[in-house]
Amino acid sequence: NAGVTQTPKFQVLKTGQSMTLQCAQDMNHNSMYWYRQDPGMGLRLIYYSASEGTTDKGEVPNGYNVSRLNKREFSLRLESAAPSQTSVYFCASSDDGFGSYNEQFFGPGTRLTVL
Amino acid sequence: AQSVTQPDIHITVSEGASLELRCNYSYGATPYLFWYVQSPGQGLQLLLKYFSGDTLVQGIKGFEAEFKRSQSSFNLRKPSVHWSDAAEYFCAVEGNKLVFGAGTILRVKS
Repeated sequence: NAGVTQTPKFQVLKTGQSMTLQCAQDMNHNSMYWYRQDPGMGLRLIYYSASEGTTDKGEVPNGYNVSRLNKREFSLRLESAAPSQTSVYFCASSDDGFGSYNEQFFGPGTRLTVL
Repeated sequence: AQSVTQPDIHITVSEGASLELRCNYSYGATPYLFWYVQSPGQGLQLLLKYFSGDTLVQGIKGFEAEFKRSQSSFNLRKPSVHWSDAAEYFCAVEGNKLVFGAGTILRVKS
């Protein structure tokens, strides 16, 4: 099992450009998540999908959109990138959503720089 | 809403010494508590978790954590640190969301 995979690993964008971060899991998990990690701030939840067909905002959703394409895949889109979105992005998945005491499994991350 | 405080940004210990990483949480109900570890350039990996029962929880890699309700704490410990334990450690509390602390970077001196 590959677990949680993310593409790309690194990306440099110019302000105003758009891009989509891809995430896939092969553990048959119901729930998937997108976090961003900034120095000294831990991980902050951007969006999550408790189950296929549903998505909800997290703590820092502004400037992002998501798509739960199917049970395996959950993508994060930046429509018009800004320097404030320079960060490391992590995708995660779990059997069930918040309140279920499930471990979240994390991908290796995408390091994004917006110039 | 829940919150997590990890008071130490950096900790340096000698190899073979004991380790304690502090975590304080705020949550109105009984919390689900987690410790995750992140090695450089990697994603996060679960070390251990706690919801109920014995307040001393054993995890992977020789780590343990103790839940103290009266102090709203969930400190991580290891009796003897190895160089491979150098990483960043995150405490997290789950209520209606999973909220992470800012992390503690552990450096190990040889």
